[in-house]
Amino acid sequence: ETGVTQSPTHLIKTRGQQVTLRCSSQSGHNTVSWYQQALGQGPQFIFQYYREEENGRGNFPPRFSGLQFPNYSSELNVNALELDDSALYLCASSLGGANTEAFFGQGTRLTVV
Amino acid sequence: GENVEQHPSTLSVQEGDSAVIKCTYSDSASNYFPWYKQELGKGPQLIIDIRSNVGEKKDQRIAVTLNKTAKHFSLHITETQPEDSAVYFCAAAMNYGGSQGNLIFGKGTKLSVKP
Repeated sequence: ETGVTQSPTHLIKTRGQQVTLRCSSQSGHNTVSWYQQALGQGPQFIFQYYREEENGRGNFPPRFSGLQFPNYSSELNVNALELDDSALYLCASSLGGANTEAFFGQGTRLTVV
Repeated sequence: GENVEQHPSTLSVQEGDSAVIKCTYSDSASNYFPWYKQELGKGPQLIIDIRSNVGEKKDQRIAVTLNKTAKHFSLHITETQPEDSAVYFCAAAMNYGGSQGNLIFGKGTKLSVKP
């Protein structure tokens, strides 16, 4: 186990709704990254938070937003859900810095109907 | 931007045989190359990684090699076991200074080890 926990594990939402996914990083880790993994594909980078500030963003629209809290846990918010947002959402935490590994949680499976 | 290609997409081996998965990357600035194993219904698990100042790294039955000139890196699993069956992903990142770059993943290789 990596010590990175995500909630909920599964979620079903209707197109147009909003969703919030949560991630608890491994103890001592100050960097959290979020990834979207479509079925049969590799994870795609959404954004990264380092010490509560956004520290890089992938090619995702502004309706994907996030937060990192003082305890380094994080949220991913998606507004105006689309069918194509159905995917496994993964959170990865790390110590930060250039020489640290990223450890993933088990993911949240989001289905948009 | 960085692009990572991974081959093959599926690989089937007999228990005890070796398995090799290959990846190429496009951005010569990438300097960190991890490999992840993902089992059904779980998140990716880091199994080994290599940094650009090293050509080879081994951990028991798993080894990774890196050729910076050719911009490719490979995962080698020896003496495969049924529990090695999973999807394996390679990734590349550009880590610099105090910042950790985002991971760019390949599309994955589904490894099946037949008893």
